[in-house]
Amino acid sequence: NAGVMQNPRHLVRRRGQEARLRCSPMKGHSHVYWYRQLPEEGLKFMVYLQKENIIDESGMPKERFSAEFPKEGPSILRIQQVVRGDSAAYFCASSPGPSRYEQYFGPGTRLTVT
Amino acid sequence: DAKTTQPPSMDCAEGRAANLPCNHSTISGNEYVYWYRQIHSQGPQYIIHGLKNNETNEMASLIITEDRKSSTLILPHATLRDTAVYYCIVRVGPKGNTPLVFGKGTRLSVIA
Repeated sequence: NAGVMQNPRHLVRRRGQEARLRCSPMKGHSHVYWYRQLPEEGLKFMVYLQKENIIDESGMPKERFSAEFPKEGPSILRIQQVVRGDSAAYFCASSPGPSRYEQYFGPGTRLTVT
Repeated sequence: DAKTTQPPSMDCAEGRAANLPCNHSTISGNEYVYWYRQIHSQGPQYIIHGLKNNETNEMASLIITEDRKSSTLILPHATLRDTAVYYCIVRVGPKGNTPLVFGKGTRLSVIA
């Protein structure tokens, strides 16, 4: 069973461009979480999605950030008009649900904004 | 979710047991204790979780005190590859689907 897959693993964007980060959950997992880890800081929750629904986006910045998890295909975290402060590692996790909510993490996407 | 307290760092000799403590004195009756680790800059890795009984899997053992106010993660035979930051997290579950709240964790260094 393949683990959580994220791509790209490294992404470089200039200020003002858009960044799209993709996450394919483990097979059979219908719950996806996105976390961000700024340099030298801890992991912070951003958003929790189930298929076609955003369940909790309390950790998501109010502007420029959006997330989706369509019925078909991977979950996408989209950052519009990136700024240098968006440079971070973005991790996606998935969980099986229901009744089992341990989260399994992907390898992350390292975004660098120049 | 209840707050947890962990020592910032620990050392362990290779081949010995690593015992990582965690205090969670405000834990509620329906909250579980989860352990994750992050090796260098990789994605966090799920290790184990428990409610009140001791748990063991292929990676580690989890010992939870009777009053549930603290717990210990035990890596029975630490190797250099176990060097990582270990996070103790308390959350409602496994039926709860709340996000994980990561603290600063314990940086475990396994020494040859």
